[in-house]
Amino acid sequence: DAGITQSPRHKVTETGTPVTLRCHQTENHRYMYWYRQDPGHGLRLIHYSYGVKDTDKGEVSDGYSVSRSKTEDFLLTLESATSSQTSVYFCAISESRGASGAYNEQFFGPGTRLTVL
Amino acid sequence: SQQGEEDPQALSIQEGENATMNCSYKTSINNLQWYRQNSGRGLVHLILIRSNEREKHSGRLRVTLDTSKKSSSLLITASRAADTASYFCAYQGAQKLVFGQGTRLTINP
Repeated sequence: DAGITQSPRHKVTETGTPVTLRCHQTENHRYMYWYRQDPGHGLRLIHYSYGVKDTDKGEVSDGYSVSRSKTEDFLLTLESATSSQTSVYFCAISESRGASGAYNEQFFGPGTRLTVL
Repeated sequence: SQQGEEDPQALSIQEGENATMNCSYKTSINNLQWYRQNSGRGLVHLILIRSNEREKHSGRLRVTLDTSKKSSSLLITASRAADTASYFCAYQGAQKLVFGQGTRLTINP
């Protein structure tokens, strides 16, 4: 397995509370991603990072913020959790894009199951 | 939504049979990738096919790509119980990978 860990692995929280999920990699890959996975929707990109302090929004970024102060860590924050954010969250990493600009394969972490009551 | 479409959503076959899953997408692509997800785990990359390739093999996996029809298929030959999983295609959209909703494959002993 690629060196990707996510913490916590499970979390139950209440509506309105802040939540931070952490992704840590030991591969020194440039790109890091946060996805959420929900039945009927597959994987949807929340935010991604293309370097330290360089981040951009994905398809479903509302209600989420991210930070990347070090190459190895990518944090996802729910400022005020809502029940609609109950989901399984996956972090992924990939190497720099190839010369043609194509994206390489992504390596996924084990996921965090978040329940917002 | 830019999400790709996968077909079928669920597939159940007997061990030893071949399994075919299809993926359609909506934009021009640079490459298309297939991933497997076992229950409760993260996704694992299986194979990548570039837009200038039509077919690619990896062990018991065969992937085809038809850019004129914006579609791809994944064939798993001689299926095994361990192949039971969900399979996702992912294509490169404008800036990032876009995942399909997946095909749930069950291999019956």
